[in-house]
Amino acid sequence: AQTVTQSQPEMSVQEAETVTLSCTYDTSESNYYLFWYKQPPSRQMILVIRQEAYKQQNATENRFSVNFQKAAKSFSLKISDSQLGDTAMYFCAFMRNNNDMRFGAGTRLTVKP
Amino acid sequence: DGGITQSPKYLFRKEGQNVTLSCEQNLNHDAMYWYRQDPGQGLRLIYYSQIVNDFQKGDIAEGYSVSREKKESFPLTVTSAQKNPTAFYLCASSIRDPGNEKLFFGSGTQLSVL
Repeated sequence: AQTVTQSQPEMSVQEAETVTLSCTYDTSESNYYLFWYKQPPSRQMILVIRQEAYKQQNATENRFSVNFQKAAKSFSLKISDSQLGDTAMYFCAFMRNNNDMRFGAGTRLTVKP
Repeated sequence: DGGITQSPKYLFRKEGQNVTLSCEQNLNHDAMYWYRQDPGQGLRLIYYSQIVNDFQKGDIAEGYSVSREKKESFPLTVTSAQKNPTAFYLCASSIRDPGNEKLFFGSGTQLSVL
């Protein structure tokens, strides 16, 4: 079974600074997809960024970027220029070709003014 | 306005009662999912369906049942066999589009036991 591990239950960062959230996963498959989702206090799940395992290039979306290390099965999220609105739970997720998605336990990020 | 609609937003269950959570999508997505989220924890997969009239158990299917009679609808029944049903339930859908796989989520249903 695929597992997703987020080893940081809580993190905090000062506004305008950079923070990195960690994620590792376990799989025997060669092709898969990785995601970071954000869940603000409203509890709505919002897609932050997506990475395809067969692509070497790390995905970026504005202030969000990932460091994808396939051999190490690591998929960290870097948030640059942190904003107060980034305060949320962040979930790392793994999806196989059959489209079922598994999530990590989450990291609660607090951005401090 | 396309999206995923979950209803009701809040639901209360009496002991021994079955309750059904509704999930409807007008995105023409093939796959639909149900997740359970306990306070301060991640999402755990209950059931998923990739096509009409077919569905698979996820990691925590015991005490739950689903049906997929229409592409747009994927209701979840929490049966009396589920002894700890209090949780936040999220429905999601996805399209089979190689290179564009991702899940779209509804706004959730909070289920509580009276």
